[in-house]
Amino acid sequence: AQSVTQPDIHITVSEGASLELRCNYSYGATPYLFWYVQSPGQGLQLLLKYFSGDTLVQGIKGFEAEFKRSQSSFNLRKPSVHWSDAAEYFCAVNQQGGSEKLVFGKGTKLTVNP
Amino acid sequence: DAGVIQSPRHEVTEMGQEVTLRCKPISGHNSLFWYRQTMMRGLELLIYFNNNVPIDDSGMPEDRFSAKMPNASFSTLKIQPSEPRDSAVYFCASTSWTHASGYTFGSGTRLTVV
Repeated sequence: AQSVTQPDIHITVSEGASLELRCNYSYGATPYLFWYVQSPGQGLQLLLKYFSGDTLVQGIKGFEAEFKRSQSSFNLRKPSVHWSDAAEYFCAVNQQGGSEKLVFGKGTKLTVNP
Repeated sequence: DAGVIQSPRHEVTEMGQEVTLRCKPISGHNSLFWYRQTMMRGLELLIYFNNNVPIDDSGMPEDRFSAKMPNASFSTLKIQPSEPRDSAVYFCASTSWTHASGYTFGSGTRLTVV
């Protein structure tokens, strides 16, 4: 069955520090990959997506993610975190050419210390 | 574009009452999804429609839940009768794969059943 794993439930970083959020997926074929962010009481906002081509994807708010097929990973990174980045981050996967269902990981909650 | 519009934003109802949640997808999007978010289960796909036709309702928890999409610009999720365990945030999302736009989420409806 298709699955998405975000191994870190909660991460705390200091403002200005670098950030990496991990995401691993289990799929039989090359997937479409997404990262979403959810602020408290809000909906989900798309940060970036990977469909094909360059495996390093740039998104909004200074985020980037790298697709590594050999590791079945799509980790999210930011070189310098801002206090406003505190939120919950979700990795999501959809199978290319397959069902339109988007499968989400359990999310990683990010706390930013001043 | 106003994005995906959900109503109401908050709903408090008594156990046994009927609850109807509404969603207006982005114009031109041909797929619509209903998700439920809880602390315990995270984001769960309940049902999705393609061109107004229900494609996969395997996530609908039981017969008390039903969803309709009478036209391309409107969908409802109904719970009858409601139970306290239905308390959650319900999100609607839409997408158009011809534009590879990813999924756009509404702001959600926070349902509390007392």
